[in-house]
Amino acid sequence: NAGVMQNPRHLVRRRGQEARLRCSPMKGHSHVYWYRQLPEEGLKFMVYLQKENIIDESGMPKERFSAEFPKEGPSILRIQQVVRGDSAAYFCASSPLVQGSTEAFFGQGTRLTVV
Amino acid sequence: EDQVTQSPEALRLQEGESSSLNCSYTVSGLRGLFWYRQDPGKGPEFLFTLYSAGEEKEKERLKATLTKKESFLHITAPKPEDSATYLCAVESYNTDKLIFGTGTRLQVFP
Repeated sequence: NAGVMQNPRHLVRRRGQEARLRCSPMKGHSHVYWYRQLPEEGLKFMVYLQKENIIDESGMPKERFSAEFPKEGPSILRIQQVVRGDSAAYFCASSPLVQGSTEAFFGQGTRLTVV
Repeated sequence: EDQVTQSPEALRLQEGESSSLNCSYTVSGLRGLFWYRQDPGKGPEFLFTLYSAGEEKEKERLKATLTKKESFLHITAPKPEDSATYLCAVESYNTDKLIFGTGTRLQVFP
């Protein structure tokens, strides 16, 4: 049973370009979360999605950031017109959200560097 | 506002020297408290979930405990391979997201 798969592991973008980060949840998991981790800081919640639905996007910047989790395929975190401050590690987590068990399992992350 | 504070920020131990990491939290209706281990360049690895005060869980040299205000991660006779950053997170009944602390960076020297 493969874990949460994220790709690419490393992504370099020039300022103004678009970054697309992909996340395939664990088999049987239908809930996906995206977190951002800046150097020397904790993980910060960005968005929570179920298939075809955004449940909570309270941690997403209002501009340039969007996320989706289509019926088929991986979840995508999209950052338009990237700036240097977007450089960070972006982690995806998935959960089955079975009652009484809310463990979220994380992928290895995508490290975005904006140059 | 839900909040998690971890201490110390960094901890250096000699191999075999037991110690504890602290996680203090304030949350409106705790659904669960989670401990993760994170190695450099890797994603957080799930360790434990605690749901109610008084609960304890163990895994090898690690033992997690929970009170109404804080959780401890006890490390007994640590080994160099236990070196990592240990993250604490809480989830409340009001939301479905994890609120993380900034972690304790543990180094165990042989």
